[in-house]
Amino acid sequence: EIVLTQSPATLSLSPGDRATLSCRTSQSVGSYLAWYQQKPGQTPRLLIYDASNRATGIPARFSASGAGTDFTLTISSLEPEDTALYYCQQRNDWPPTFGPGTKVEIK
Amino acid sequence: EVQLVESGGGLVQSGGSLRLSCAASGFTFSSYWMHWVRQAPGKGLVWVSRINSDGSSPTYADSVKGRFTISRDNAKNTLYLQMNSLRADDTAVYYCTRTMNPGGWFDPWGQGTLVTVSS
Repeated sequence: EIVLTQSPATLSLSPGDRATLSCRTSQSVGSYLAWYQQKPGQTPRLLIYDASNRATGIPARFSASGAGTDFTLTISSLEPEDTALYYCQQRNDWPPTFGPGTKVEIK
Repeated sequence: EVQLVESGGGLVQSGGSLRLSCAASGFTFSSYWMHWVRQAPGKGLVWVSRINSDGSSPTYADSVKGRFTISRDNAKNTLYLQMNSLRADDTAVYYCTRTMNPGGWFDPWGQGTLVTVSS
């Protein structure tokens, strides 16, 4: 199965800062990568699909890019409500697999 | 509004059984593939099982194959997960979620139901 690694494990930034999260896959997944946000005590929510497309209702400050094995999620200007765990997930190969997550903390 | 509401979790002894349910509303349930994804306490997300729209083709992660059975009742808009021979490492919050096709994106997710297996 495809293994996903995410870095950094934790990101501690101030409101208004730019956050850059990385996801790498053990083999190419093309553009078949998504990002999910899980706020404390809440259920995961689809943020980005097909590597760069925002899901319905996701604010424009969230953007993503990448293809093949290297992907990036960017939050252009952090809001306090962006405190969450962010997971990447691939669906190019079965079974679908998730990365271990990056925790974003707002100072 | 699309809603997925899980139920059936609880505390069970190792070797025991539990059946989870996921009640769906706000969309045409019979048109979607349905999945179970779990999250052990403090850990990441792991896909467990999926079933196609008419219920004829279930698929499982190797870790649960032979012990878990996924099924659905399209007349009741409900997804199930029968879990047998439970082990301590099955302890997790179990989420149900949907995809448009076999390998689609998971959206949305239910609130989850906690399964705790005591050894």
